[in-house]
Amino acid sequence: NAGVTQTPKFQVLKTGQSMTLQCAQDMNHEYMSWYRQDPGMGLRLIHYSVGAGITDQGEVPNGYNVSRSTTEDFPLRLLSAAPSQTSVYFCASRERFSSPLHFGNGTRLTVT
Amino acid sequence: QQQVKQSPQSLIVQKGGISIINCAYENTAFDYFPWYQQFPGKGPALLIAIRPDVSEKKEGRFTISFNKSAKQFSLHIMDSQPGDSATYFCAASIDNNDMRFGAGTRLTVKP
Repeated sequence: NAGVTQTPKFQVLKTGQSMTLQCAQDMNHEYMSWYRQDPGMGLRLIHYSVGAGITDQGEVPNGYNVSRSTTEDFPLRLLSAAPSQTSVYFCASRERFSSPLHFGNGTRLTVT
Repeated sequence: QQQVKQSPQSLIVQKGGISIINCAYENTAFDYFPWYQQFPGKGPALLIAIRPDVSEKKEGRFTISFNKSAKQFSLHIMDSQPGDSATYFCAASIDNNDMRFGAGTRLTVKP
């Protein structure tokens, strides 16, 4: 089992560029989510999904899009990158309602 | 405004000592309070969690104390070891969906 796999590990974008952060899990988890981690802010929830075809907004959704066409994949799209989106992004999944979150190892994104 | 406030921001403890990290929350609807541990370059991993129907939960050297009336909970690490050096996050959620994290505490355990 690979767990939660995030690609790429590092990415540099120019302001206004678009990109997709990939997240895949092989644990057949229904719930998946995206967080961003910034110094002094902890982790903040961007979007989450409780199953294929279902997504919802978290605490800081603006500037990000998601879709969930399969149980395994939950990509995060930045349509027009801004310097304020410079951060470390974590994808997480869990099995059941009472199960712990399993996090990937993150994608470090820099927007210049 | 963060819904979960964590302190201290950093903590230095001698090996064998007790590490204590505190969190406070405002939303009384929160019903799940986990602590996560994060090492550099890795994602956070669940350490221990508690629900508000109990006041304390212990797993090995790690204990959560929960005070529902004060809306506070804390993590105690007994006999702290250098391998415990990491960043610790408290969190709170309703139904384990929309998880809100504290700002984190960087713990350093000196040998």
